[in-house]
Amino acid sequence: SQELEQSPQSLIVQEGKNLTINCTSSKTLYGLYWYKQKYGEGLIFLMMLQKGGEEKSHEKITAKLDEKKQQSSLHITASQPSHAGIYLCGADVRAQKLVFGQGTRLTINP
Amino acid sequence: NAGVTQTPKFQVLKTGQSMTLQCAQDMNHNSMYWYRQDPGMGLRLIYYSASEGTTDKGEVPNGYNVSRLNKREFSLRLESAAPSQTSVYFCASSGSIYGYTFGSGTRLTVV
Repeated sequence: SQELEQSPQSLIVQEGKNLTINCTSSKTLYGLYWYKQKYGEGLIFLMMLQKGGEEKSHEKITAKLDEKKQQSSLHITASQPSHAGIYLCGADVRAQKLVFGQGTRLTINP
Repeated sequence: NAGVTQTPKFQVLKTGQSMTLQCAQDMNHNSMYWYRQDPGMGLRLIYYSASEGTTDKGEVPNGYNVSRLNKREFSLRLESAAPSQTSVYFCASSGSIYGYTFGSGTRLTVV
């Protein structure tokens, strides 16, 4: 079974709208990573969160790690076509191993 | 450019054939990983190497072998390819403040 659950698995939004992707674990997360993947390409590092309550932003993307360090959210403001792709959360749930959620496929409609 | 280099980018194998996927990193990272990505499954860890000379099984190691040749190189071998091994394979390394760096992937089809 997946140690990390992402929701939703698929998301279609109109350009300009805001959206949120969630990543939930049943275990404490020691390092939570967000990656973006364009279709058929490799993974692009977005952000890493380590401390409970931590929040980071880059351009129009904000990621948060909750106080209990068992859930993270990725929020995109005023979505653009360039935001389309697959978003993956990864976490160090065991020492020296990164496990991933199943991914969220984001489509931006003009 | 510094990073993780995987070869080949594409490969088609017949069932029962063998092949080795190559991975090299030039960031002086201690840890290296092999993942496979299937639709709706995210990335699943096949094998990893925490340091030169050590390897350990991940979530889905059956049908694969690995070799950590030196600190830079970590190869993945399929001894007898099966259609279930059709997937996209990613190599990664870790050791910096940016966490894990991934290669661009190898798209493998077994027919």
